[in-house]
Amino acid sequence: DVKVTQSSRYLVKRTGEKVFLECVQDMDHENMFWYRQDPGLGLRLIYFSYDVKMKEKGDIPEGYSVSREKKERFSLILESASTNQTSMYLCASSWTGPNSPLHFGNGTRLTVT
Amino acid sequence: DAKTTQPNSMESNEEEPVHLPCNHSTISGTDYIHWYRQLPSQGPEYVIHGLTSNVNNRMASLAIAEDRKSSTLILHRATLRDAAVYYCILTNFLSGSARQLTFGSGTQLTVLP
Repeated sequence: DVKVTQSSRYLVKRTGEKVFLECVQDMDHENMFWYRQDPGLGLRLIYFSYDVKMKEKGDIPEGYSVSREKKERFSLILESASTNQTSMYLCASSWTGPNSPLHFGNGTRLTVT
Repeated sequence: DAKTTQPNSMESNEEEPVHLPCNHSTISGTDYIHWYRQLPSQGPEYVIHGLTSNVNNRMASLAIAEDRKSSTLILHRATLRDAAVYYCILTNFLSGSARQLTFGSGTQLTVLP
């Protein structure tokens, strides 16, 4: 089975801190994604990557950046965390092609105080 | 982008079949219908997808209307472990980009013992 592992299940950070959320997949998938999930708003795509060092903005990229130096690892970076970035963050990976299912990690619940 | 409409919530009794509806009246000929579900405290997981014909797998069946404007996810015998939020999503197979994968608010399925 595909495994997508997010480095932290829960994270508490202070406003203004730089935050790194790490995600690793073990299936050699080309595509990797970062979503955030908020009550009443569903899942919203922040960034995705279709190859090493390649990235594309999703629907809500403001305040975030990403890094993909190796195929299996995709990092989400909050340069200066703010309270409105308190959320559940979900990483996913897939093969190329819109019919390839996404495989999700179990999420990181980030609280910014 | 084509949108989907699902009921906010449904209830089912354990060991009975469950039919989860999804309307997608603006679906295009190149849109696939995907279903995911999200169990409590977990990331979403892929359930099934189809284009025109009905589909079966070990988890569920997907029934697609002849005009493709609606579909139904069928769980043949609901168990307590099937209690989750179920998402119906359209993906365009002409697009190589995952931007087309948009999660709405889904249907919260409650399974009663």
